[in-house]
Amino acid sequence: NAGVTQTPKFQVLKTGQSMTLQCAQDMNHNSMYWYRQDPGMGLRLIYYSASEGTTDKGEVPNGYNVSRLNKREFSLRLESAAPSQTSVYFCASSEAARGALTDTQYFGPGTRLTVL
Amino acid sequence: RKEVEQDPGPFNVPEGATVAFNCTYSNSASQSFFWYRQDCRKEPKLLMSVYSSGNEDGRFTAQLNRASQYISLLIRDSKLSDSATYLCVVNIWAGSYQLTFGKGTKLSVIP
Repeated sequence: NAGVTQTPKFQVLKTGQSMTLQCAQDMNHNSMYWYRQDPGMGLRLIYYSASEGTTDKGEVPNGYNVSRLNKREFSLRLESAAPSQTSVYFCASSEAARGALTDTQYFGPGTRLTVL
Repeated sequence: RKEVEQDPGPFNVPEGATVAFNCTYSNSASQSFFWYRQDCRKEPKLLMSVYSSGNEDGRFTAQLNRASQYISLLIRDSKLSDSATYLCVVNIWAGSYQLTFGKGTKLSVIP
């Protein structure tokens, strides 16, 4: 089973460049998430999607946009990358709604992004 | 006060040892609790859920103390393969319930 897949695995950008991180899940989950993980900061939620066509801001949404293309796919876009966006980005999905008692999240392998 | 706090470690223990991690949370209304495991340069994976007074799964035991607002993870007979970072995850009320991740406790099991 593929679970949650992410592309690319690694990316180096120059300041001001744009890019889209792709995420797909094959578990028929409704909820999907984008997190960033920085040393000493833990996982922080960027955006959340409860279902196709709906998205909500998380803790650190500035500088990012998202698109829930269909039930399977949830993309994260950096319109004008900044060095502060250097991080590891994880996509996750869950069968339950956000914050539900059974909100067990399954993570993709991550994208390591460096912005120079 | 931070919402979910963990001792960052590292905890360096010999094979076969018993090790325990604690995690405290700030919101007394929290209803669900999890331990995730994250290997170096890998994604977090669910280790255990903790819904009531505790869970046991083989060598791993998770305990919940609602009165003191902490959960713990006990690993018995540590293996080299247990070396990882353990993330405490709590359902915190912030207008709605949201999963909040601790920064993790790093464990190194030494031969």
